Amino acid sequence: GQNIDQPTEMTATEGAIVQINCTYQTSGFNGLFWYQQHAGEAPTFLSYNVLDGLEEKGRFSSFLSRSKGYSYLLLKELQMKDSASYLCAVKPHQAGTALIFGKGTTLSVSS
Amino acid sequence: ETGVTQTPRHLVMGMTNKKSLKCEQHLGHNAMYWYKQSAKKPLELMFVYSLEERVENNSVPSRFSPECPNSSHLFLHLHTLQPEDSALYLCASSHVRRESPLHFGNGTRLTVT
Repeated sequence: GQNIDQPTEMTATEGAIVQINCTYQTSGFNGLFWYQQHAGEAPTFLSYNVLDGLEEKGRFSSFLSRSKGYSYLLLKELQMKDSASYLCAVKPHQAGTALIFGKGTTLSVSS
Repeated sequence: ETGVTQTPRHLVMGMTNKKSLKCEQHLGHNAMYWYKQSAKKPLELMFVYSLEERVENNSVPSRFSPECPNSSHLFLHLHTLQPEDSALYLCASSHVRRESPLHFGNGTRLTVT
């Protein structure tokens, strides 16, 4: 079966760094995606990893270890607007098929 | 204009009604998807169309019927729904490439009474 696990909730303060972990067990692997979803809005794409290592994009970075079935999203210099749900998703099959999503991690940033 | 547009944004329907959700994408993508989002649950894949052909149907009840007339439009026809079908229904589109992310619409909030 397909299984993607991430923490349900996390809290942090403005200016801090937070790491959101994701572990996965899927029938195949063709990439891992992170999305951000604000309440009442559509999920928006943050990052894509298919090879092991760290991908950096401004304040956000994403890491992948395929051998461990593990990824994390690192958010630096947190801002209030980063309060949202962060979704980890895996593409288990070849291009043209869909993503399998975790339940999402709700991040609350306080001042 | 947003890349993926869904209508209506909100829908309330009785269990005996028939209604349709509409999705349109302006991104030149060739794959489209329906997902269901319920509280405390992960996004659930319902249907996938790639190059206008249905390629995945994850055992969705027959009261949900998709239609993809062309690569830019996707419909979800609803009939005889149950209260547990109340959820946010999200449409998405992408290129048929491994690294291509899904682009989501804002969803239709469906309430079945």
